Amino acid sequence: SQQGEEDPQALSIQEGENATMNCSYKTSINNLQWYRQNSGRGLVHLILIRSNEREKHSGRLRVTLDTSKKSSSLLITASRAADTASYFCARDYNTDKLIFGTGTRLQVFP
Amino acid sequence: DTAVSQTPKYLVTQMGNDKSIKCEQNLGHDTMYWYKQDSKKFLKIMFSYNNKELIINETVPNRFSPKSPDKAHLNLHINSLELGDSAVYFCASSQGGATWEKLFFGSGTQLSVL
Repeated sequence: SQQGEEDPQALSIQEGENATMNCSYKTSINNLQWYRQNSGRGLVHLILIRSNEREKHSGRLRVTLDTSKKSSSLLITASRAADTASYFCARDYNTDKLIFGTGTRLQVFP
Repeated sequence: DTAVSQTPKYLVTQMGNDKSIKCEQNLGHDTMYWYKQDSKKFLKIMFSYNNKELIINETVPNRFSPKSPDKAHLNLHINSLELGDSAVYFCASSQGGATWEKLFFGSGTQLSVL
């Protein structure tokens, strides 16, 4: 798709396992952000990674950026049932707006 | 206090009607947005305003008209509603509008056009 892809579309894991979600993009970016959306709620910002950064951490979240592959990954370690949500990446494609995709739906079973 | 609040949360209406969704932010941000999320969860930007000035206007039918009376408010008016307008509409805000800034989202308005 024009905006890039997030994969997998859906992911089911057990509590305590790690969850990895991927985000690809088509052309160069300045910034890429990850958001979480709980069912029936608005999106909540998780982490920002800039094009000159390769990795960032925030608590149990680890985001990587590979500009040569035009992709980013979000890793949630030691997942909990409360991590169940949809996760979106947003790329700016060197423009003044953030382009979201369709997200990855994560289900964490207790 | 809710940072970005939008009303109503649910809106059910008939085709052809005109409806409005209101949004207010109390974060002191300069930039506000409207996004549309379809049934496949694809989230697409519609408009953005910075200090009451229209900045982004995506390819949206002119039946959709945003209005920003002040920088804390961005309302969305939709004329002659169509079945395809059914979606969840999210208001959001950010400090200045730069793409490295966090977006703060409202909880959404689920619009169902019958």
